[in-house]
Amino acid sequence: DVKVTQSSRYLVKRTGEKVFLECVQDMDHENMFWYRQDPGLGLRLIYFSYDVKMKEKGDIPEGYSVSREKKERFSLILESASTNQTSMYLCASSPPLPSGRQFFGPGTRLTVL
Amino acid sequence: DAKTTQPNSMESNEEEPVHLPCNHSTISGTDYIHWYRQLPSQGPEYVIHGLTSNVNNRMASLAIAEDRKSSTLILHRATLRDAAVYYCILRDSQTFNDYKLSFGAGTTVTVRA
Repeated sequence: DVKVTQSSRYLVKRTGEKVFLECVQDMDHENMFWYRQDPGLGLRLIYFSYDVKMKEKGDIPEGYSVSREKKERFSLILESASTNQTSMYLCASSPPLPSGRQFFGPGTRLTVL
Repeated sequence: DAKTTQPNSMESNEEEPVHLPCNHSTISGTDYIHWYRQLPSQGPEYVIHGLTSNVNNRMASLAIAEDRKSSTLILHRATLRDAAVYYCILRDSQTFNDYKLSFGAGTTVTVRA
């Protein structure tokens, strides 16, 4: 089975801190994604990557950056955490189209105080 | 974007079948019907997908109406572990830009022991 792992299940940070969320997949997938999920707002795409060192902005990239130095690893960076970035962060990976099936990690619940 | 409509919630007894409806009256010819579910405090999980014909896998069955304007996800024998939010989405797997997933509110399934 595909495994997508995220570095932390729960994280508490202070406003202004730099935050790193790590995601690793073991299925050699080209595509990787970072979403955030908030009550009433559903799932929103922050960034995705279709190859090493390649990235595309999603719907809500402001305040975030990403890094993909190796195929299996996709990192989300909050340059200066703010309270409105308190959320559930979900990483996913997928093979190329036409499958499009996405495999999700367990999520990181980030609280910014 | 083509949209889907699902009931907010459904209840079932353990070991009974569950039929989850989804309406997608504006579906286009290249849209696939995908189902994901999300268990409490977990990342979303792929369930099944189809285009025109009914589909079966180890988790569920997908029945697609002849005009493709509606579909039904069938859990044949619900267990307590099937209690989750179920999302029906349409994905045009021919277009790169449709890589992202967008979940609506979904259907919250409660399974009674």
